[in-house]
Amino acid sequence: TQLLEQSPQFLSIQEGENLTVYCNSSSVFSSLQWYRQEPGEGPVLLVTVVTGGEVKKLKRLTFQFGDARKDSSLHITAAQPGDTGLYLCAGEDSNYQLIWGAGTKLIIKP
Amino acid sequence: KAGVTQTPRYLIKTRGQQVTLSCSPISGHRSVSWYQQTPGQGLQFLFEYFSETQRNKGNFPGRFSGRQFSNSRSEMNVSTLELGDSALYLCASSLGGSGKTLETQYFGPGTRLLVL
Repeated sequence: TQLLEQSPQFLSIQEGENLTVYCNSSSVFSSLQWYRQEPGEGPVLLVTVVTGGEVKKLKRLTFQFGDARKDSSLHITAAQPGDTGLYLCAGEDSNYQLIWGAGTKLIIKP
Repeated sequence: KAGVTQTPRYLIKTRGQQVTLSCSPISGHRSVSWYQQTPGQGLQFLFEYFSETQRNKGNFPGRFSGRQFSNSRSEMNVSTLELGDSALYLCASSLGGSGKTLETQYFGPGTRLLVL
């Protein structure tokens, strides 16, 4: 069974700080997606990484896919209260299905 | 273009009852997937419908069922509710395609089900 573990499960920091959250697995994925989910809403896709070692930037968010395509990280620079939410990673398996992590709940305090 | 809509948004039921949840996909999207989300468990895939046919199924008991109509709207039904069925039920729509590539899914806001 493929599993995706996200860490930390919960993170609360002050506005302006930097942070990194992780998504790890013992399995190889074809691609990996990151989503953000806000209270009362469904997840919204932020980025898809496909190639091992790939780095994608979305404003202050930097996503990296591990060289072996088993892990990924999300780094946020100068976090803002608007970044608050549940960050979910999901890996694409060989059947084109998504395997989901449990998420990192991020709170940015003003 | 309107997003994915789900009704009802909130629902309270008692053990043993059944429930039907509805999902209207984005116009033009033919695939609808259903997920169960519980704290600490992430999203668990229930099933996917495309052109009124179930195309993929997750590891849930037969109490969980679904269907899709000709206009791509989908419903899921849970019979003989158990306390552990309390969760946020999300549906997501995508264009559909061949089912052999990963497409971008657009999620609705979910239906929060509480079983007492």
